Amino acid sequence: DIQMTQSPSSLSASVGDRVTITCQASQDISNYLNWYQQKPGKAPKLLIYDASNLETGVPSRFSGSGSGTDFTFTISSLQPEDIATYYCQQYDNLALTFGGGTKVEIK
Amino acid sequence: QVQLQESGPGLVKPSGTLSLTCAVSGGSISSSNWWSWVRQPPGKGLEWIGEIYHSGSTNYNPSLKSRVTISVDKSKNQFSLKLSSVTAADTAVYYCARRWLSEIRGWGQGTLVTVSS
Repeated sequence: DIQMTQSPSSLSASVGDRVTITCQASQDISNYLNWYQQKPGKAPKLLIYDASNLETGVPSRFSGSGSGTDFTFTISSLQPEDIATYYCQQYDNLALTFGGGTKVEIK
Repeated sequence: QVQLQESGPGLVKPSGTLSLTCAVSGGSISSSNWWSWVRQPPGKGLEWIGEIYHSGSTNYNPSLKSRVTISVDKSKNQFSLKLSSVTAADTAVYYCARRWLSEIRGWGQGTLVTVSS
């Protein structure tokens, strides 16, 4: 099984700050890495697919990069509505796994 | 826009079988999607349970494979989850979802299932 290690598990930042979350795969997954946002009591929402493609309708302050085993998710300017938990996810070898999640809070 | 809706008992007894159904509307379950189940224990992260294609092909999380059965009913445009021998550790919000290529592009609203006597 491919394991996804996401860090940090939580962070606190000010409005307008640049926020970065990393996700590391236990083996090469090419660019098959996706990022989701989950707000309390809601289902996750796809933000980034294939490591760096912005889903339609998602604000451009969200971005992703990386390939192979190391990936990065960035919020260029944190907004109050971005308070949520973010998850990375990979699909490979007939199985899907999520990272442990990063809870983003406002300082 | 494809919509998903979970249904099933909210309370299951320990050692029993959890059964949920996901109704697909706004599109055909015979489209080129894989139909998945994902769960989230209270206050914890997301765990993929498994998935099914309209042909009946399935993929399961190895850690749950011995207890999971996912099936599809094309006549009703729905798919189902059965999880046997449940314990309190199976208490979670269960989501049905639609996978396209590597990403999940649609989710149900989720349903809380509690395992308790």
